[in-house]
Amino acid sequence: NAGVTQTPKFQVLKTGQSMTLQCAQDMNHEYMSWYRQDPGMGLRLIHYSVGAGITDQGEVPNGYNVSRSTTEDFPLRLLSAAPSQTSVYFCASSRQGRTDTQYFGPGTRLTVL
Amino acid sequence: GENVEQHPSTLSVQEGDSAVIKCTYSDSASNYFPWYKQELGKGPQLIIDIRSNVGEKKDQRIAVTLNKTAKHFSLHITETQPEDSAVYFCASNGGTSYGKLTFGQGTILTVHP
Repeated sequence: NAGVTQTPKFQVLKTGQSMTLQCAQDMNHEYMSWYRQDPGMGLRLIHYSVGAGITDQGEVPNGYNVSRSTTEDFPLRLLSAAPSQTSVYFCASSRQGRTDTQYFGPGTRLTVL
Repeated sequence: GENVEQHPSTLSVQEGDSAVIKCTYSDSASNYFPWYKQELGKGPQLIIDIRSNVGEKKDQRIAVTLNKTAKHFSLHITETQPEDSAVYFCASNGGTSYGKLTFGQGTILTVHP
């Protein structure tokens, strides 16, 4: 199993540009989520999904869009990039239960100029 | 929602010493407390977790203790080695019905040879 994969690994955008961060998992996990990591602030939840066709907002959803058309994929869209969205983004997945282990991808480092 | 506080933010020890990182949480419905290790340029990896039906769990040099009455849990690393140097995050699942986690701010552990 490849686990949780993310592409691209690095990305530089100009303010106002849009892009999609890709996330895929091959463990048949129902729960998937996106976090951003900023210095001194830990991991903050952006959006999550409890299954195909079901998404919801996390702690910091503004400026981001998600959809979940398949169990395997959970892309994160930046609609109009802003410098405040410069961060490292992590995708994670787990089975459905409250106490199931979450597995993280390797991350995407995004810089918005 | 759940709030997780983690201390200290940085921790420096000599090789062979013990290291202790502490976290507090706010939601009394929390029943799952994982600890993640993040090495430079990588995604977080689960190193140990504890569920609220136990007070302590040990895995070789790593142990976690949980005090539900006081709402705090701690990570203990004994006989530290330079390869233990990393950022460590605690988390809890709050009162959710699925895999949503709230993370602490992280602790940078440095083990000096």
